[in-house]
Amino acid sequence: AQTVTQSQPEMSVQEAETVTLSCTYDTSESNYYLFWYKQPPSRQMILVIRQEAYKQQNATENRFSVNFQKAAKSFSLKISDSQLGDTAMYFCAFTASWGKLQFGAGTQVVVTP
Amino acid sequence: NAGVTQTPKFQVLKTGQSMTLQCAQDMNHEYMSWYRQDPGMGLRLIHYSVGAGITDQGEVPNGYNVSRSTTEDFPLRLLSAAPSQTSVYFCASSPYMRVSGPEKLFFGSGTQLSVL
Repeated sequence: AQTVTQSQPEMSVQEAETVTLSCTYDTSESNYYLFWYKQPPSRQMILVIRQEAYKQQNATENRFSVNFQKAAKSFSLKISDSQLGDTAMYFCAFTASWGKLQFGAGTQVVVTP
Repeated sequence: NAGVTQTPKFQVLKTGQSMTLQCAQDMNHEYMSWYRQDPGMGLRLIHYSVGAGITDQGEVPNGYNVSRSTTEDFPLRLLSAAPSQTSVYFCASSPYMRVSGPEKLFFGSGTQLSVL
């Protein structure tokens, strides 16, 4: 079975600090996409960052960056200079097979003043 | 540009009732999908479609039907609602359906469904 595991149900971080969310996945495919989605209290799903598995270079989007370790099937998200607006549920996901996007259970991030 | 539009935003049903959740996108995306979100379980795929007239099952398809008669619309039907279907439902679409799956999902704002 192709699965996504987010081992941290909740993480707390102070403003301006850095927090890293972990994600591991299981697949036998060699080419796939990996994603981090953010869901604030508004419930809207927002794409934070995307990584293509065949690219070795880690993706970055402003304060968000990933550490992609393909052999270890690990895809962690680092949020730098955390802001109050980063408070949200964060979901790791990947294209497990043709037509299907598999999500993890999520990590709740709380940014405190 | 409206993106992905879901209606209704909230719905309460009684057990055994039927209803259709509507989803429309105006981005000419080939790929559309339905997910349900339950606490502690992330989002689980119900059904998906890779083009008009083509649909397939996801991880949790039982109790739900879909059809895709146009590129724009992908309604989700609950034939006989059950309390276990109480959940938040998301419709999502994506361009560029390739071998490795949808490249980037655009989500609707979700439907909170309660079945009593």
